Parts: sequence; C-alpha cells; structure tokens
Amino acid sequence: ILNVEQSPQSLHVQEGDSTNFTCSFPSSNFYALHWYRWETAKSPEALFVMTLNGDEKKKGRISATLNTKEGYSYLYIKGSQPEDSATYLCAFPNSGYSTLTFGKGTMLLVSP
Amino acid sequence: NAGVTQTPKFRVLKTGQSMTLLCAQDMNHEYMYWYRQDPGMGLRLIHYSVGEGTTAKGEVPDGYNVSRLKKQNFLLGLESAAPSQTSVYFCASSDRGLNGYTFGSGTRLTVV
Repeated sequence: ILNVEQSPQSLHVQEGDSTNFTCSFPSSNFYALHWYRWETAKSPEALFVMTLNGDEKKKGRISATLNTKEGYSYLYIKGSQPEDSATYLCAFPNSGYSTLTFGKGTMLLVSP
Repeated sequence: NAGVTQTPKFRVLKTGQSMTLLCAQDMNHEYMYWYRQDPGMGLRLIHYSVGEGTTAKGEVPDGYNVSRLKKQNFLLGLESAAPSQTSVYFCASSDRGLNGYTFGSGTRLTVV
C-alpha cells in the first residue's frame, strides 16, 4: 500500500482568501498524480491528472503544480468562494497503474 | 450521458443477510472499481476489474465478492453482512487508468 499524504487535514478560510494544500507521494516510479474534488453528499469529481515534472494545470480559480523529483503536488485556490467548500483528494497509481491509492483528503470550508 | 450508475442508493441489512450492489457504466471504460468510504479512513479499494471477465482484490477484499460478466457492469456482493461492513460504497470506472476516474453517486449501507 502506497503512502499518499495530504496536509492540512482541514482548512477554514474566509471568502476571498487564497489557499493551498499539499499532496506528498512516493517520488520513485512516478506515473501520474490525480486530484479530485468531493462535495458533501456527492461523489468525487476529477480535477486534474498530472504526468510531467513541473507541470501546472488550471481550471478556473483552481490550479495545481507537480514536483515529481521531490514527490509533492500543490493545489491552489485563488479567491476562495463558499462553493469551493469540499474535500480535495489526491491519488497516486499503484504498481501496474491499474488502481489508485487515495490520500485522506483536505477538507476545505469557505465562510461567506 | 449517465456515466456511472449505482443501485441501490440506500439499504439497511440485518447481520447475516446477503445483497448485491450493482454498478453500470455507459462510457465503454475498461477498468471498474469498488471503494468503501469510512470516517477518517478515506477511500479504500475493495476489488477491481481491468476488463470483462477479470477481477482482482484490492486493499480490503474480505467479506466481499465481485463479478464482471459484462463490460458495462460490475457487481459487488456481500454474502453474509456484518456490522463492520456499514459504510458508503462507491463504484468508479476509468479508461485503462490513464484519465481520471468517474465515480457513481454512492450506496449508503447500514448493517444492524
């Protein structure tokens, strides 16, 4: 079982704040790193699949960067809105790349 | 486009009863997965399938069986339910693991 760590476990910010959180993963045998957004009472939705060292992906106010050599990825949210409140999961492929190990997530709460 | 459909959405079982959870996807994905989500534990892989007629064990397979007789369907069975199997179950599918997973809406199972 791979060790995929996310920090912080939870985060509470005010509307308009920018925030970021971290996903750490094994730096050897890198294949891809996934980010998902999981709203309460819904199912996880894929945000990004990142494959290249130094890669940066963006979707609206959310962006992610990747450092495969040191084994971490950052997810940034610029100008947080209440609708950004969700748990953000990262996931790393297991050996053979047919399954993912998920981190426990960072729970973000954005207050108006 | 329905994506991934799970049935039922809710179920209460008595200890020792059996049931089958159905997952259906209409995206022609090769890979399908069953995860369970428990507080503080994140998403844990139960079983998965990399193609019609194939299945494999994940991280927490004990007490569950699966079948993938048709490419679009992945069934999860509980032969003799136990209270420890009270959880939210998510099915997911992917295109050979290359892209993000598409998740179903989940099944909340309570075993009393």
